[in-house]
Amino acid sequence: AQSVTQLGSHVSVSEGALVLLRCNYSSSVPPYLFWYVQYPNQGLQLLLKYTSAATLVKGINGFEAEFKKSETSFHLTKPSAHMSDAAEYFCAVTPFSGGYNKLIFGAGTRLAVHP
Amino acid sequence: NAGVMQNPRHLVRRRGQEARLRCSPMKGHSHVYWYRQLPEEGLKFMVYLQKENIIDESGMPKERFSAEFPKEGPSILRIQQVVRGDSAAYFCASSPGSGSSYNEQFFGPGTRLTVL
Repeated sequence: AQSVTQLGSHVSVSEGALVLLRCNYSSSVPPYLFWYVQYPNQGLQLLLKYTSAATLVKGINGFEAEFKKSETSFHLTKPSAHMSDAAEYFCAVTPFSGGYNKLIFGAGTRLAVHP
Repeated sequence: NAGVMQNPRHLVRRRGQEARLRCSPMKGHSHVYWYRQLPEEGLKFMVYLQKENIIDESGMPKERFSAEFPKEGPSILRIQQVVRGDSAAYFCASSPGSGSSYNEQFFGPGTRLTVL
């Protein structure tokens, strides 16, 4: 069975500060891992994904994440927060397999950015 | 190329009524997923469909919920005799579904169901 744990339901940073959102996963098979962002009253937008290629993955809007198998982690970072980064962020996992891939989501982390 | 479309965006129902949520996948996509997001929670998988077939409904409540994806037209998530606990955001995602070891899912804007 697969699961995702996001540490910290709320994270608050200053504009220009480092953003670090934590995600740990559990998977009995090699996983695909994802970070999605959700702005208020909108759908989910894919930030980045890990699909067994490079362990350091770069995404949109300056975000990146590193897959660490030994730590079963896939933390999301951004060097310098911007006010527009305020949103909810979801980490998700799906098994590496052909065919369909239902996503297992974490509970989400709400990021607040203050001046 | 239009994205995934869902309608209505907001739906209000009284207890005992039926709710019908529609999802039009992206052009060329033949696979549809439905997820539910309860307040203050992450998304939970409900059902996965291909055209005219339900492939995986392991996340669907056993009663009152059904889904279809007909040969023509949008995918429909139907909730009969709604209760207050059904109040949530329902998201649809579509994927191409063939020719790749991984099929990215593209999400619609969601339907926010409120049961009074």
